[in-house]
Amino acid sequence: SQQGEEDPQALSIQEGENATMNCSYKTSINNLQWYRQNSGRGLVHLILIRSNEREKHSGRLRVTLDTSKKSSSLLITASRAADTASYFCATDGAGGTSYGKLTFGQGTILTVHP
Amino acid sequence: DGGITQSPKYLFRKEGQNVTLSCEQNLNHDAMYWYRQDPGQGLRLIYYSQIVNDFQKGDIAEGYSVSREKKESFPLTVTSAQKNPTAFYLCASRARGAGGELFFGEGSRLTVL
Repeated sequence: SQQGEEDPQALSIQEGENATMNCSYKTSINNLQWYRQNSGRGLVHLILIRSNEREKHSGRLRVTLDTSKKSSSLLITASRAADTASYFCATDGAGGTSYGKLTFGQGTILTVHP
Repeated sequence: DGGITQSPKYLFRKEGQNVTLSCEQNLNHDAMYWYRQDPGQGLRLIYYSQIVNDFQKGDIAEGYSVSREKKESFPLTVTSAQKNPTAFYLCASRARGAGGELFFGEGSRLTVL
């Protein structure tokens, strides 16, 4: 079963606008990660936020984590056409049978128009 | 140049045939993973291995088999028991069993004719 659920499924914006994607999950986590995938390629890691962190920044990326609501958001500021890709959240299980198990959401397809 | 190599990139097979997808990493990572991705979908975990000679089933292991005889290699066999094997298969690795980022290969696209 998929641990993460993402919304929206697709997002279309103009260059320069901000893009926000959301991820919800069901069980306890060690950390939550965001990845990017260009069409037909492997995934590339963007940012990792640990369960005891609430917010993290990396360049134009801002990630928040609310463990009480079991949700996370990824904000891309001042988007560019090159940001066009699919974005996935992934949760790292906290322990027990989930230890080491990294589970992905369905993804958000982001299209940035020049 | 360190990384993960998947081969072949494209593979066609007839129904009823087993096929093995190769995944090799030279990152000295302990943990390796296999995911399946269907068009427009997220990634589903097939098998993962946190150490040599050990592996665990993921969420969709039926019809697949793996081995982890060497640290750098984690081949995936798609057996004839897999009902709908046409998909994009992604291999990944990370330094230890939990807590770090995954590094992905470029994927293998399997088409059953």
